[in-house]
Amino acid sequence: AAGVIQSPRHLIKEKRETATLKCYPIPRHDTVYWYQQGPGQDPQFLISFYEKMQSDKGSIPDRFSAQQFSDYHSELNMSSLELGDSALYFCASTPPGENYGYTFGSGTRLTVV
Amino acid sequence: AQSVTQPDIHITVSEGASLELRCNYSYGATPYLFWYVQSPGQGLQLLLKYFSGDTLVQGIKGFEAEFKRSQSSFNLRKPSVHWSDAAEYFCAVGSLTGGGNKLTFGTGTQLKVEL
Repeated sequence: AAGVIQSPRHLIKEKRETATLKCYPIPRHDTVYWYQQGPGQDPQFLISFYEKMQSDKGSIPDRFSAQQFSDYHSELNMSSLELGDSALYFCASTPPGENYGYTFGSGTRLTVV
Repeated sequence: AQSVTQPDIHITVSEGASLELRCNYSYGATPYLFWYVQSPGQGLQLLLKYFSGDTLVQGIKGFEAEFKRSQSSFNLRKPSVHWSDAAEYFCAVGSLTGGGNKLTFGTGTQLKVEL
């Protein structure tokens, strides 16, 4: 079965650089969520999109922005990277009408040096 | 706002022994509750979920959880632990937002299995 695809799997950036993380939801899933999991931490909700519109916003820094495109894939753009941004970034998607039918991707591990 | 507490940061059990991981939640309405498992460097795998109905929920890998409204708990259990169960376990509560939902996770319980 198709899963949530995240790319890249690993990313190393220097401080003050920019990073773009991509998420491809399961086909026909219309809602995408982004979570950030710092080292030894629990996942924290960042932002979500439903039908290409932002549906909710969590603890996402102003330096980060995200969007969902017409093909439902989503991108998380992170600028002016800081060491504290080093984390595992998860994307998840849910199908129409199944608000809790989460499927998580394997994550993108971002390391800021 | 919703919150989840997992009081045990680390738990060690012997292989074959029974397991119970504790989870307490705070939510103003009927909660949607989940247990996820995460192996090191890996994604989150859903073990089981509770929405309504029977308060004893069966999941994958032989896990079960019991919802107790009076205690605001959703403890995860397994009668006989296998070495491959060693991982981090997260309890989560779902809150409905416009067009979807978000999960609030507990801080996790790291399970170690002794052979």
